[in-house]
Amino acid sequence: DAGVTQSPTHLIKTRGQHVTLRCSPISGHKSVSWYQQVLGQGPQFIFQYYEKEERGRGNFPDRFSARQFPNYSSELNVNALLLGDSALYLCASSRTYRSNEQFFGPGTRLTVL
Amino acid sequence: QQQVKQSPQSLIVQKGGISIINCAYENTAFDYFPWYQQFPGKGPALLIAIRPDVSEKKEGRFTISFNKSAKQFSLHIMDSQPGDSATYFCAASYYFIIQGAQKLVFGQGTRLTINP
Repeated sequence: DAGVTQSPTHLIKTRGQHVTLRCSPISGHKSVSWYQQVLGQGPQFIFQYYEKEERGRGNFPDRFSARQFPNYSSELNVNALLLGDSALYLCASSRTYRSNEQFFGPGTRLTVL
Repeated sequence: QQQVKQSPQSLIVQKGGISIINCAYENTAFDYFPWYQQFPGKGPALLIAIRPDVSEKKEGRFTISFNKSAKQFSLHIMDSQPGDSATYFCAASYYFIIQGAQKLVFGQGTRLTINP
């Protein structure tokens, strides 16, 4: 069975630009959560999506947004990129929004210059 | 209150030894405590997890010990092998009722090195 997939693997952007990252959850999983992992730290919760609705948001500005599609895949969008947005962006898949088990994808490494 | 504190930051263990990583939390709303293993350039992989009504869980060489009254839990890796060298994260999960979301809060991570 395929695990969580994310694209692209790496991305380099400049300050002020916009970026879109993509995630496909495990087959049968309906919830996708996004996390930001800055180098040397643990992942930080950005938000969770279930049935195309945002279920919760962490302490991140409105520049961060996402959407979930009917096939449960998801896109993370970040506007007006800052140098501090450089991080590994992780997508986690779970069966429902109440599921404790979350399975992570390989991540997208975003570098903002 | 939403923090999970993890120690040590780094750990070096000889092959065959026992690796021990500790975590502490404050929020009693946490109801699930997973450990993740992360290799460089990869996403975290779920290793083992425990619920607060259980004091110990063992899967192969990996054991979680959980002390509910002390709000502490730890990961023990028995017979540590060079292939276990990775960064380990403890985490705690809770259901945030107001937002209707299941959130994972991670510790800061422990970089484990197993010397051959």
